[in-house]
Amino acid sequence: DAGVTQSPTHLIKTRGQQVTLRCSPKSGHDTVSWYQQALGQGPQFIFQYYEEEERQRGNFPDRFSGHQFPNYSSELNVNALLLGDSALYLCASSSQLATDTQYFGPGTRLTVL
Amino acid sequence: GQNIDQPTEMTATEGAIVQINCTYQTSGFNGLFWYQQHAGEAPTFLSYNVLDGLEEKGRFSSFLSRSKGYSYLLLKELQMKDSASYLCAVSYRDDKIIFGKGTRLHILP
Repeated sequence: DAGVTQSPTHLIKTRGQQVTLRCSPKSGHDTVSWYQQALGQGPQFIFQYYEEEERQRGNFPDRFSGHQFPNYSSELNVNALLLGDSALYLCASSSQLATDTQYFGPGTRLTVL
Repeated sequence: GQNIDQPTEMTATEGAIVQINCTYQTSGFNGLFWYQQHAGEAPTFLSYNVLDGLEEKGRFSSFLSRSKGYSYLLLKELQMKDSASYLCAVSYRDDKIIFGKGTRLHILP
């Protein structure tokens, strides 16, 4: 039973570029949430996807957008990258039928130069 | 805002017991998570409390008081591998999950 997977593991971009991060949820899960974690901080909620729609959004600008596919996998897109976007991007999956657990993927480490 | 407060750092000795506290704003509260995160790794799920009281899972226990907006994670028989950050996170009825900044726990031999 595969857990949550994310790709790529690491990524280096320059300011102004665009990036796409990918996440496949744990088998049986239908909800995907994205978080940004800066060094030494807790994860910050970006948004959550369920039934291919954005259900809820944290305090992130429109440069951050996402998508969920029919197979429940998800993408996070960030446009016009800033140095401050350098962080670990975590994907977490859960099920609407059992909201008491949320499992994280290994994360994508994004460095913006 | 929905602030989650927990101590920044704690130190304890191998074999001892440590309690990590977390306070949160109660409005719209749904449930409270505790996660363990080793440096450079993703958070690992430890517990989820919805009802008041203590839930025990081996060496780890989590307590919740919804009226006080208070939770704690209790770690017993500490081992060196327990050195990590411990994240308190609250899920609210608007489907947002808000994390605290984490408590860095150092275990001394």
